[in-house]
Order: sequence, then C-alpha cells, then structure tokens
Amino acid sequence: EAGVTQFPSHSVIEKGQTVTLRCDPISGHDNLYWYRRVMGKEIKFLLHFVKESKQDESGMPNNRFLAERTGGTYSTLKVQPAELEDSGVYFCASSQRWSGRTEAFFGQGTRLTVV
Amino acid sequence: AQSVTQPDIHITVSEGASLELRCNYSYGATPYLFWYVQSPGQGLQLLLKYFSGDTLVQGIKGFEAEFKRSQSSFNLRKPSVHWSDAAEYFCAVGATGTASKLTFGTGTRLQVTL
Repeated sequence: EAGVTQFPSHSVIEKGQTVTLRCDPISGHDNLYWYRRVMGKEIKFLLHFVKESKQDESGMPNNRFLAERTGGTYSTLKVQPAELEDSGVYFCASSQRWSGRTEAFFGQGTRLTVV
Repeated sequence: AQSVTQPDIHITVSEGASLELRCNYSYGATPYLFWYVQSPGQGLQLLLKYFSGDTLVQGIKGFEAEFKRSQSSFNLRKPSVHWSDAAEYFCAVGATGTASKLTFGTGTRLQVTL
C-alpha cells in the first residue's frame, strides 16, 4: 500500500512568486493534515481536512496560504505571494479517523526555499 | 493548550553506547504521546506511541519509551545505538481525544560517532 506522497520534494522560488504543494494521502483516509516546520522550530499544525471540508484551519499563518482538497482525494497548498519567512518543510499527513487512537501517517515533506 | 519540550537540540553518542532523549509535555489529561524520527531525505516515521496502560512502550528499531505522569515526561531510550540511528527525533502529544492533530517539540538531532 502506498504511503502519503508529497510533490515536489524540493522547491526554490523567488519572493513574490506562487508555489503549489501537493499531497496524496493514503487511499481511503478521509482525514488529511498539513504541518510546517520553519528552520530550527517545531513542526506546527496548519490545517485539517475531513474529506473535502476544512475541519480546522486554526494554524494557517495568513491569507497568502490557500489549501484545497477538491473531491476529497489529494490536497494542494498554495502560497501566493511567497515571502522569505515561508521557507521551511511542509509535511502532509493522513488518517482514517479523527478521534480516538488513530495515528496519522506522514509524507516525506516538501522543502520550500524562498529567496 | 498542550506543549512539548525537548531540551536537547543536539546530542552526540558513540556507536554502541546507550541513548536517552528527553521529552516533557504539558497537558491537562492523560495524553497520547508519540516519538517520530526523520532520517535524512526521509519523511516522519513513527517510532512508538503511548495511549494508556503499560507505561513502558516498545517501538521499532529497538527503541523504547517510558511514560512518567509524575514528571510529565516521555523519554526515548535505546540500549545500544547504531550508526544508522543518526537522525532527528521528534516528541509529540495528541490534542484532546485524538492521536491525529499533534503538537510537536522542536526536535533533537542525534549524531553517532564510529
């Protein structure tokens, strides 16, 4: 069974440009999460989808970030326009259920560098 | 709100030596606790988890962790470290009632010398 897959693995863009990150969750996982780690800091929760609906987007830093999950399958995270402080590693995770002892499985992350 | 502290940013151990990585958490109830590892170029891999019951939990790759409620700690241990254990290790706590929305510590980078 395929795990959580993220594209691209690395992205280098200039300040002011737009970047779109993609996450393909494990098949059958209704719950999808985005996390981010900026340099030297902790991995922070960004948002949570249940199927195509945003369940919790309390961690989204500002309105330059737009997450979508059309059809409840893969998800995209768009940063527009990108700023230097957006550099970091963006992780995606998925799980079958939200509540209880259902762990989330993580992808390998996308390393975003804004120059 | 819950929080996780990993006081050691970087640790170096010799291959074959024992290892203990510290993790302290702040949480109002019985927490769901996790240790993840990120090897170079890899994603986050779950090493072990604690939900309830036996406070000593065994994980993959020979790791174990002990939950100590009185100390709010969940330290990760391994009796004999291998060079392939060099990686970054993250402790995490689950939000109330869920093991999926996690609060992470800042991570501990482990270097193994031969």
